[in-house]
Amino acid sequence: GENVEQHPSTLSVQEGDSAVIKCTYSDSASNYFPWYKQELGKRPQLIIDIRSNVGEKKDQRIAVTLNKTAKHFSLHITETQPEDSAVYFCAASTYGNNRLAFGKGNQVVVIP
Amino acid sequence: NAGVTQTPKFQVLKTGQSMTLQCAQDMNHNSMYWYRQDPGMGLRLIYYSASEGTTDKGEVPNGYNVSRLNKREFSLRLESAAPSQTSVYFCASREGAGGGSGNTIYFGEGSWLTVV
Repeated sequence: GENVEQHPSTLSVQEGDSAVIKCTYSDSASNYFPWYKQELGKRPQLIIDIRSNVGEKKDQRIAVTLNKTAKHFSLHITETQPEDSAVYFCAASTYGNNRLAFGKGNQVVVIP
Repeated sequence: NAGVTQTPKFQVLKTGQSMTLQCAQDMNHNSMYWYRQDPGMGLRLIYYSASEGTTDKGEVPNGYNVSRLNKREFSLRLESAAPSQTSVYFCASREGAGGGSGNTIYFGEGSWLTVV
C-alpha cells in the first residue's frame, strides 16, 4: 500500500519567516494530495489539496507544490503567524482506492 | 448542518470493559472512517466503510469491530478494552467512494479514551 513520510518532524520558525514541509510518497499511481492542519486538542481540517494534473496551487499564504517524478509534495507557508503553530499532516490517495494514507505529522512552532 | 458528530467526547474504561463509540454525519456522505491518533504515530485507519452495507479493515483493526448502521451512522466497538487502546479516536466522512475524486475528508471532534 501507499507509504507517506513527512520531514522534518518538528520545525521552528520566527514569525514572519517562511516554513516548508516536505512529504514523500511511494505509490506512483497516487493522484490526490491533501494537507490537513490540526491545532492542539482539535480535529484535523483540510487547508489545501492538489491533484496530480497540476504542479502548484496557492491559497493566500499557503501553497502546495508537487513533483510527480520525484514523488514528493511540499507545503509552503509564507509570512508565518503565531496561529500557524499546529501539527500538519500530508496524505496521498490513489484513484479507485477509498483510503487516504496519512503521514505522521509535522509540528510547526512559530516563535513570536 | 453539524457535520460529523461523535460521542462520547471523553471516556475512562477499565481493562476488559466494552464500549461503543458513536458517529453520525449529516452531509449525505457515502464513505465513513474510524482513525486513532497516538503521539508520534499520526492518524492510523482502524476501519472504514466505503458505502452503506460495507466495511473493511484498515491498518490497525485488531481489538475493534464496526457497524455501518445506515448511511449516516458508523459505530466503533471495543469488546474487551486494553491499555494499548488508550488513544484519541476520530470518526470521519467523505462524499465520494473513489480516492482520486479529490473529495475532502471531514473529521469529527474526537473522542479521548483512556483504558486503565
